[in-house]
Amino acid sequence: GENVEQHPSTLSVQEGDSAVIKCTYSDSASNYFPWYKQELGKRPQLIIDIRSNVGEKKDQRIAVTLNKTAKHFSLHITETQPEDSAVYFCAASARPSSNTGKLIFGQGTTLQVKP
Amino acid sequence: DAGVTQSPTHLIKTRGQHVTLRCSPISGHKSVSWYQQVLGQGPQFIFQYYEKEERGRGNFPDRFSARQFPNYSSELNVNALLLGDSALYLCASSGWGSGVTDTQYFGPGTRLTVL
Repeated sequence: GENVEQHPSTLSVQEGDSAVIKCTYSDSASNYFPWYKQELGKRPQLIIDIRSNVGEKKDQRIAVTLNKTAKHFSLHITETQPEDSAVYFCAASARPSSNTGKLIFGQGTTLQVKP
Repeated sequence: DAGVTQSPTHLIKTRGQHVTLRCSPISGHKSVSWYQQVLGQGPQFIFQYYEKEERGRGNFPDRFSARQFPNYSSELNVNALLLGDSALYLCASSGWGSGVTDTQYFGPGTRLTVL
C-alpha cells in the first residue's frame, strides 16, 4: 500500500548548522510533496512544497529536493535557529491521477536546535 | 492557515459514546479533509469531501462517518468510541484546483480524550 518513510526520527543540531530530513515514498503516482512544521500543541503549518515537474525548490533558508527515479525527497534547513525547533512531517499525494487529494504522511522528525 | 476553524477545541468522552466534530474551511475553499493524529505520529487520512461528495476514505472502521454541507463546512462523526480513538482530529481545507493537487491548510484541531 501507500507509504512514506521519514528519517531520522530525531535530529539535534547546533544553532547555525544545517539540518537534513529525508523521506521515501512508495506510490510511483505521487506528484505532490509538502512539508509541514508542527510546534507542540499547534496545527501543522505548511513550510514548503514541491511538485513532480521540478527537482528543487528554495525559500530563504529552506529547500526541498525531489528524486522521482529513487522516489525520495529531502528537506534542507540552513543556518538553523532555535525557533526552527519543532516536529517536521513530509507527505505525498497522488492527485490528479488519483481522484482523492489525500496526503500520506511520514512519521515525523523532531528537530532540536541548540543555542 | 488561520482561516480554518474547528470546534470544539477539546472534548472528553467515555467509551461507547458518540462524538461530532465540526470544521469550517477557508473562505472560497470547497474541499475538506479529516485526519487523525495520535500522539507521536503523523496525521492519518480519514476522509476527503469536495462539493458535498466523498472523494476519499482512509482505512478507518465504519464507526467513522462524515459529511459536507452546502456552505462547505463539514462534520466528522465517531460512534461507539474506543480508548484508541483518543487523538487530535485535524481538518484541512483546500481549493481542489483542476488537474493539480491543492495545498491543504490545517485547522487547530480537536483534542479528543476517551476515558
